[in-house]
Amino acid sequence: GAVVSQHPSRVICKSGTSVKIECRSLDFQATTMFWYRQFPKKSLMLMATSNEGSKATYEQGVEKDKFLINHASLTLSTLTVTSAHPEDSSFYICSAPGRNEQFFGPGTRLTVL
Amino acid sequence: DAKTTQPPSMDCAEGRAANLPCNHSTISGNEYVYWYRQIHSQGPQYIIHGLKNNETNEMASLIITEDRKSSTLILPHATLRDTAVYYCIVRVAPSNDYKLSFGAGTTVTVRA
Repeated sequence: GAVVSQHPSRVICKSGTSVKIECRSLDFQATTMFWYRQFPKKSLMLMATSNEGSKATYEQGVEKDKFLINHASLTLSTLTVTSAHPEDSSFYICSAPGRNEQFFGPGTRLTVL
Repeated sequence: DAKTTQPPSMDCAEGRAANLPCNHSTISGNEYVYWYRQIHSQGPQYIIHGLKNNETNEMASLIITEDRKSSTLILPHATLRDTAVYYCIVRVAPSNDYKLSFGAGTTVTVRA
């Protein structure tokens, strides 16, 4: 199946700093990508839809100024967590749609100290 | 998208078939049943999907009742590597909106 990668796989940062997470579709193009967040022992929560060439669409309750999304090309979407705080510590997962299913990245574990 | 109900957890023995139930009594005629799984600390993985007919692939079989109000995912010969959270999701076929809504899923533990 198609492959979606994420970088970094794990990041630790200090409170107040910004962290950028990359999501790449390696062998296919994706005009749309999705960003999810998952807290320990919880299910995935959709944060936003990343649209190539236009603004991202955010789910209700997700601060667009805090979670900046840029879909710069047909194979790359980035999520920047600005001014990160400990409550932003979570597992961030991206996905890209295929013909019948979603292909998910391996996830990025963010820890904010 | 229709809501689904799954048991929170289940155990099964290695080498035996694992049958995972899902209720989706409010499913609409144009909604498909999708199954994904998430192994610990990894991204979810697509397993199978279907509309009305039973489906089988190299990973699993999907049995959908005639009234489509429930379905069962069957892992024919469970292995320890099948230990994961399994999500049953009902949604319309791929369209401009590919969003997936994940419920709590079923935590499946395969025991040796």
